[in-house]
Amino acid sequence: AQSVTQPDIHITVSEGASLELRCNYSYGATPYLFWYVQSPGQGLQLLLKYFSGDTLVQGIKGFEAEFKRSQSSFNLRKPSVYWSDAAEYFCAVGAYNQGGKLIFGQGTELSVKP
Amino acid sequence: NAGVMQNPRHLVRRRGQEARLRCSPMKGHSHVYWYRQLPEEGLKFMVYLQKENIIDESGMPKERFSAEFPKEGPSILRIQQVVRGDSAAYFCASSPTSDYEQYFGPGTRLTVT
Repeated sequence: AQSVTQPDIHITVSEGASLELRCNYSYGATPYLFWYVQSPGQGLQLLLKYFSGDTLVQGIKGFEAEFKRSQSSFNLRKPSVYWSDAAEYFCAVGAYNQGGKLIFGQGTELSVKP
Repeated sequence: NAGVMQNPRHLVRRRGQEARLRCSPMKGHSHVYWYRQLPEEGLKFMVYLQKENIIDESGMPKERFSAEFPKEGPSILRIQQVVRGDSAAYFCASSPTSDYEQYFGPGTRLTVT
């Protein structure tokens, strides 16, 4: 069955520290991979996406993610976090020619301490 | 270019009433998706529509829920005879094709009392 796992429900990091949020997927077809961010009471904003090509993708707000097919992972990273990065982060997977439906992980809530 | 618009942003219904949620996709987008986010959970796919067609409704509950995307006007997600378990945030997303990133609206937060 298709699934996305975000093993960390809640992560707390200090401002200025580096960040890595984990995402593992199980998907039979060639995956499209996404990271979205959601602030409280808001909609989802796309941070970055992977469709094909270079497995290290750059996104907005200084985020990047690396697609590792052998590990079925698409971890999100940022070298230095700001307090404004505190939010809920969702990993999602879709597939080419599969109708566009996205499967979302449970989300990782990021807290940033001063 | 305005983003995806959803209204109302907040909707309160009593048990047994009907809820109608509206979604206007981004200009030039003909693909619309609806997702539901229950408290403390991720988003779950409900239905995928193109103009006048339902493409994939595999995530829709079998009863009380329906969706449409008419030739003119917004997409509508309709929930009949709401129950407390329907309380959730309902998000609409749109894209220009099915093989493209989806842009999300701000959501409609439905509360059933």
